[in-house]
Amino acid sequence: DAGVTQSPTHLIKTRGQQVTLRCSPKSGHDTVSWYQQALGQGPQFIFQYYEEEERQRGNFPDRFSGHQFPNYSSELNVNALLLGDSALYLCASSLQGADYGYTFGSGTRLTVV
Amino acid sequence: GENVEQHPSTLSVQEGDSAVIKCTYSDSASNYFPWYKQELGKRPQLIIDIRSNVGEKKDQRIAVTLNKTAKHFSLHITETQPEDSAVYFCAASRAGNQFYFGTGTSLTVIP
Repeated sequence: DAGVTQSPTHLIKTRGQQVTLRCSPKSGHDTVSWYQQALGQGPQFIFQYYEEEERQRGNFPDRFSGHQFPNYSSELNVNALLLGDSALYLCASSLQGADYGYTFGSGTRLTVV
Repeated sequence: GENVEQHPSTLSVQEGDSAVIKCTYSDSASNYFPWYKQELGKRPQLIIDIRSNVGEKKDQRIAVTLNKTAKHFSLHITETQPEDSAVYFCAASRAGNQFYFGTGTSLTVIP
């Protein structure tokens, strides 16, 4: 299955620490978007990467940063973790400019203690 | 930016009955409206979508309707089954741009 893969699946961090989450897009996709899904809420857009650049950004502080590599995979970094950063972090891949074929990964469950 | 509202937040129906979930959006430039099903601990999965040039779309027991003038769209599930129990999210976007999600509807189908 050449779907979207995310790692790790679960992570526990201490307040103030830094975390890196990883995403490999579906084969053939070139754009990666990251979402934060708090418990009982809909996913909230963090940012989107295409051609190794951040193309769009949601209403998240600079503590959230990312990167996209030449093979289209992506990382989400969160610095100075807060308790409120505990959530499911979802990666979605797509083709740039297209809304069809938007595919989500299974997510990384981050718990900040 | 776009604002998507979704109702109801919880919905219980008897097996075999129909379920309807409604969403409204604020940005008239939004032109793509997908619906996702998310089971506990799993990824959101696309179940049906509709574009702004279409008023209705159907796929077996699932249908979506769109009223561009009123800026609302709805998900209809007929002949519900226990396996339809999940959280459903609506979303709105412009092509290639971020998805704005509703807050979700927890659907329970009672056998």
